[in-house]
Amino acid sequence: QKEVEQDPGPLSVPEGAIVSLNCTYSNSAFQYFMWYRQYSRKGPELLMYTYSSGNKEDGRFTAQVDKSSKYISLFIRDSQPSDSATYLCAMSVISGTYKYIFGTGTRLKVLA
Amino acid sequence: DTAVSQTPKYLVTQMGNDKSIKCEQNLGHDTMYWYKQDSKKFLKIMFSYNNKELIINETVPNRFSPKSPDKAHLNLHINSLELGDSAVYFCASSQDTGYNEQFFGPGTRLTVL
Repeated sequence: QKEVEQDPGPLSVPEGAIVSLNCTYSNSAFQYFMWYRQYSRKGPELLMYTYSSGNKEDGRFTAQVDKSSKYISLFIRDSQPSDSATYLCAMSVISGTYKYIFGTGTRLKVLA
Repeated sequence: DTAVSQTPKYLVTQMGNDKSIKCEQNLGHDTMYWYKQDSKKFLKIMFSYNNKELIINETVPNRFSPKSPDKAHLNLHINSLELGDSAVYFCASSQDTGYNEQFFGPGTRLTVL
């Protein structure tokens, strides 16, 4: 079993839909949670990060962490065609060498 | 004004050859990384250097050898290439070894025939 599991998709939604992307993890030592967005043929770029359980909002994006269930989510409101990309969750312990463990990514397509 | 750059962008080579990928960052960061992304988009760390010192060395065949001539550069040399080495290799950098944002390069798509 991988340390971080992510539904690979692909996920196709109409423009304006609310999108929910999810990851589960097995290592209870993870304390730092991130979402990266990767456009086709590009490197990943950091979208959001959070340390604590609960919600963190940034514009149309909300990151949610539930440490008790070992589950994190990214919600995208009013999705746009420009949101079409692969979304990778990543997580790390916050001691030692801060090695990031990535999920396999969910490919999202927002249809105009 | 490219932050993290890699060369080459594409690399097609025969099994058994030796090849190198170069990475440079102009962000003034202390820490650099090499990641491998397979065909299923799984991104896995291979190596990390902090101020030219190797700090992460994952279970990677010793055919892969990173070299950091200075903290702005991290190169990856691969000996005796195998079919399974085909992947996209990403270089990344961060301010230091803490939980800082990692900035990724555009990737090098390696195809071994």
